[in-house]
Amino acid sequence: EVQLVESGGGLVQPGGSLRLSCAASGFTVSSNYMSWVRQAPGKGLEWVSVIYSGGSTYYADSVKGRFTISRDNSKNTLYLQMNSLRAEDTAVYYCARLKLLGGQFDYWGQGTLVTVSS
Amino acid sequence: SYVLTQPPSVSVAPGQTARITCGGNNIGSKSVHWYQQKPGQAPVLVVYDDSDRPSGIPERFSGSNSGNTATLTISRVEAGDEADYYCQVWDSSSDPHVVFGGGTKLTVL
Repeated sequence: EVQLVESGGGLVQPGGSLRLSCAASGFTVSSNYMSWVRQAPGKGLEWVSVIYSGGSTYYADSVKGRFTISRDNSKNTLYLQMNSLRAEDTAVYYCARLKLLGGQFDYWGQGTLVTVSS
Repeated sequence: SYVLTQPPSVSVAPGQTARITCGGNNIGSKSVHWYQQKPGQAPVLVVYDDSDRPSGIPERFSGSNSGNTATLTISRVEAGDEADYYCQVWDSSSDPHVVFGGGTKLTVL
């Protein structure tokens, strides 16, 4: 059974840093395209970042230069390092598997809440 | 950047048909995917590649895509279908981006 479990969310001050983790089971993270999607309170879905199976990474303009997506193949885990956090980064962050051929997200985690506030 | 436009809300009576649109420039040339999200839950894929359904999704959910509009159709709407629905495309160009529509709140009257 495919499962994605996020962790690492919490309250952080503006300008601070946080690292999110997404532990996968039932498939191999390094063989798939993996992504982070966020949702601010009461708002819609916003794509954040993707890492290809080959290791290439891409980011939304809103987080470029501040966030870094990575993975640990030995732990089958996806990460999102978030630096220089702003109030507008407050959201539930989901990890999801992106299917190569069509570009759809077929599996999602339950999400982890990040709150940026002083 | 590419923009997907959805109506903020759609209302339908139980047993009727709900149609949720997703507008985008020449969206018919792209693969469109649809997600259902209920309060406090993660999104769930209900239609992919314009009109295919993942296993476990009822046949009542269907999709179409042509020209500048993609449509998610929910037949014989049930109370349990009340949720937010999002369309999505993937631009896999030299600077890949995923784009979501703004979401549509489906209310079952």
